Amino acid sequence: GQQVMQIPQYQHVQEGEDFTTYCNSSTTLSNIQWYKQRPGGHPVFLIQLVKSGEVKKQKRLTFQFGEAKKNSSLHITATQTTDVGTYFCYSGGGADGLTFGKGTHLIIQP
Amino acid sequence: KAGVTQTPRYLIKTRGQQVTLSCSPISGHRSVSWYQQTPGQGLQFLFEYFSETQRNKGNFPGRFSGRQFSNSRSEMNVSTLELGDSALYLCASSARQGRITNEKLFFGSGTQLSVL
Repeated sequence: GQQVMQIPQYQHVQEGEDFTTYCNSSTTLSNIQWYKQRPGGHPVFLIQLVKSGEVKKQKRLTFQFGEAKKNSSLHITATQTTDVGTYFCYSGGGADGLTFGKGTHLIIQP
Repeated sequence: KAGVTQTPRYLIKTRGQQVTLSCSPISGHRSVSWYQQTPGQGLQFLFEYFSETQRNKGNFPGRFSGRQFSNSRSEMNVSTLELGDSALYLCASSARQGRITNEKLFFGSGTQLSVL
């Protein structure tokens, strides 16, 4: 069945450093979405990628979809304390249900 | 537009009891999905309902069940509670129609269930 693996599970960075989380699938994805969950909150939609090789930017965040549509990455440039939280990738396609990666917890040390 | 509403916000139960959680989706959304979130396991998919029909089901025991009403509101039920069922239960609604979705999920604030 469709599996979405996300690495790393935890990432500690100093404020101002960059951060990247990766999402890998065993099967080709129709699309991939990214969500952010702040501590004590609920996941909130960030972006969706649909096309092979697609790159989208939101201020300091850069999202990429692999050429084979089996992997994706989220990169944050110059992290700030407001970036703290857990970042999830999500694939809603297929008969196996709606699959989230386990998430990457971003911890920022001032 | 009102967001996704989940009730209750917190719940404390004892082993062996059963519990029912409620989710009211965003108006116009017919797809409601449920997730269990624990610190070590991330967001695990329970099931999805669309137009009162269960469309997808995750890998959970039969103690976990759900239903959806004609107004798209959904409930999930957990019978014979176990300590390991302690978790945050999140529901999400979307405008998803078919099996492949390009629609984003809108989450409720969740129900924090503690089983003692």
